[in-house]
Amino acid sequence: EPEVTQTPSHQVTQMGQEVILRCVPISNHLYFYWYRQILGQKVEFLVSFYNNEISEKSEIFDDQFSVERPDGSNFTLKIRSTKLEDSAMYFCASSEGGEWYFGPGTRLLVL
Amino acid sequence: QKEVEQNSGPLSVPEGAIASLNCTYSDRGSQSFFWYRQYSGKSPELIMFIYSNGDKEDGRFTAQLNKASQYVSLLIRDSQPSDSATYLCAVKSYSGGGADGLTFGKGTHLIIQP
Repeated sequence: EPEVTQTPSHQVTQMGQEVILRCVPISNHLYFYWYRQILGQKVEFLVSFYNNEISEKSEIFDDQFSVERPDGSNFTLKIRSTKLEDSAMYFCASSEGGEWYFGPGTRLLVL
Repeated sequence: QKEVEQNSGPLSVPEGAIASLNCTYSDRGSQSFFWYRQYSGKSPELIMFIYSNGDKEDGRFTAQLNKASQYVSLLIRDSQPSDSATYLCAVKSYSGGGADGLTFGKGTHLIIQP
């Protein structure tokens, strides 16, 4: 069964450092997303991506965040200068035909 | 501001009984409604989605949608201990683009008692 994959599964970084989270969406899907979930809180939408450009972004997705599809399979989320409050689980998702599937997540810890 | 509300629980149901999970949403423009299951520390897992008013059944799961009341529910029949998890309601509005994000509720923690 096709699935969304994410790497790394865990990332620990120092405040102010840049991190790149990677995702491989399901191959025939056209819409890609990043969500985050701070421990004990709800899943929050960050950004959606379609046709090689950002389609929609939330208030959380400020200038510190960027997304890229560097090749035909990978979809990345970059946080330029991490803050303590960026510590969360980051989920990549892809969708097609109204069905949305989430990757296993990357747990980011900013110290 | 789009809001999705769920009772956080915990909701405790005996094994074999029907578990009923409820969700309300604020945006009348919402078009698609999703139920996800999330085990602790894991990613959301799609159970089912519904677009039209009424019921939609898939195995032991039934989703019910009432757009007039802005209410969506999930029924789990013959509940099993493995159904113990947090159930997330998610709503997709339609703003003209196909890539709108989902708005999630906080989830209901369901416990199935053996």
